[in-house]
Amino acid sequence: GAGVSQSPSNKVTEKGKDVELRCDPISGHTALYWYRQRLGQGLEFLIYFQGNSAPDKSGLPSDRFSAERTGESVSTLTIQRTQQEDSAVYLCASSLGGLALYEQYFGPGTRLTVT
Amino acid sequence: RKEVEQDPGPFNVPEGATVAFNCTYSNSASQSFFWYRQDCRKEPKLLMSVYSSGNEDGRFTAQLNRASQYISLLIRDSKLSDSATYLCVVNESFQKLVFGTGTRLLVSP
Repeated sequence: GAGVSQSPSNKVTEKGKDVELRCDPISGHTALYWYRQRLGQGLEFLIYFQGNSAPDKSGLPSDRFSAERTGESVSTLTIQRTQQEDSAVYLCASSLGGLALYEQYFGPGTRLTVT
Repeated sequence: RKEVEQDPGPFNVPEGATVAFNCTYSNSASQSFFWYRQDCRKEPKLLMSVYSSGNEDGRFTAQLNRASQYISLLIRDSKLSDSATYLCVVNESFQKLVFGTGTRLLVSP
């Protein structure tokens, strides 16, 4: 079946502009995660959605970052007034359930470059 | 102290060698442990889960030591295709996983 998809695959934007990144999880997966990975660095947790529960936003680095998810479907991550330090690969993952014992399936990521 | 710590490497080994990576974690209440593999400029993919009794999958063996709070990954008979970054992953809570920064493995002919 289809895996996790993300769009766009690459995004180049000017400093100060807003960007919106999209994630389509695997159908039936109730949990969805966003991570950031800077060049040569590990994965940095951003936000987690589980079903209709309130999202865990504890990893969002600033109020310029926000994310939404409608039910158990598509999620969008929005970065307002982008800064150069926002340049990274943004990875989305989904899993069958909200428990940490479930495998997370990752999308190919969106490579964001802020000039 | 970082929640999950790994030696970044790189580990340079010849084909056919046996190589082992360790990872330490800080949360003694953690219950779920995994090794993920990430190829260059690709997304992470699950390699194997790590069970209390240890588990083996072909050339790969994972061990958990709760007393010392570390997990290990052993790769036997290394292949060129094993070259990748290996991420140690531990649950921080019931819902959240924490990823280590990874250990890079380079297998040469």
